[in-house]
Amino acid sequence: NAGVTQTPKFQVLKTGQSMTLQCAQDMNHNSMYWYRQDPGMGLRLIYYSASEGTTDKGEVPNGYNVSRLNKREFSLRLESAAPSQTSVYFCASSEQYQETQYFGPGTRLLVL
Amino acid sequence: SQQGEEDPQALSIQEGENATMNCSYKTSINNLQWYRQNSGRGLVHLILIRSNEREKHSGRLRVTLDTSKKSSSLLITASRAADTASYFCATALNSGYSTLTFGKGTMLLVSP
Repeated sequence: NAGVTQTPKFQVLKTGQSMTLQCAQDMNHNSMYWYRQDPGMGLRLIYYSASEGTTDKGEVPNGYNVSRLNKREFSLRLESAAPSQTSVYFCASSEQYQETQYFGPGTRLLVL
Repeated sequence: SQQGEEDPQALSIQEGENATMNCSYKTSINNLQWYRQNSGRGLVHLILIRSNEREKHSGRLRVTLDTSKKSSSLLITASRAADTASYFCATALNSGYSTLTFGKGTMLLVSP
């Protein structure tokens, strides 16, 4: 059981470039989440998917898009990266949307 | 403003001492969860306590919930250097369709 996996681990982008962060879980969970973590700000929810086929905006969705590809995979896309998107991104999953969440190891993104 | 806020922001103790962290929240909840984050890693779930529960234990961890005061505490007994981490509370609101809301965390340093 790998749990929640994220790729890549590190990424450096130039302003205006695009990229997709990948997340997969092997626990057959219904709900998946994308967070960003910045110093002093705690975790902020970007988007979530309560169940396969649905996605909803979280607290800070601007500049991001998501795709729930299937029950296992939930990707986060930055269409035109900005320096303000420099952060650590975490994917998480849970059996149901208010229950225990299991986190991936994170992706560290630097936008120059 | 944050739904859940941890107090203190930072705590420094010696090995063998107990560590107590508090979390206050503003609106009615379904459950409250505590997570640990080691430096540079993803969050790890510690305990979930539901709104109709007052206390839960897991190993050296004890969590209390006082819904009348809208507060929770996490007690780590006989702390070890390996307990050094950031600790976050997360609340699941009892209204609408909402995911977890995380606080900004307490940084715990346990010195040998």
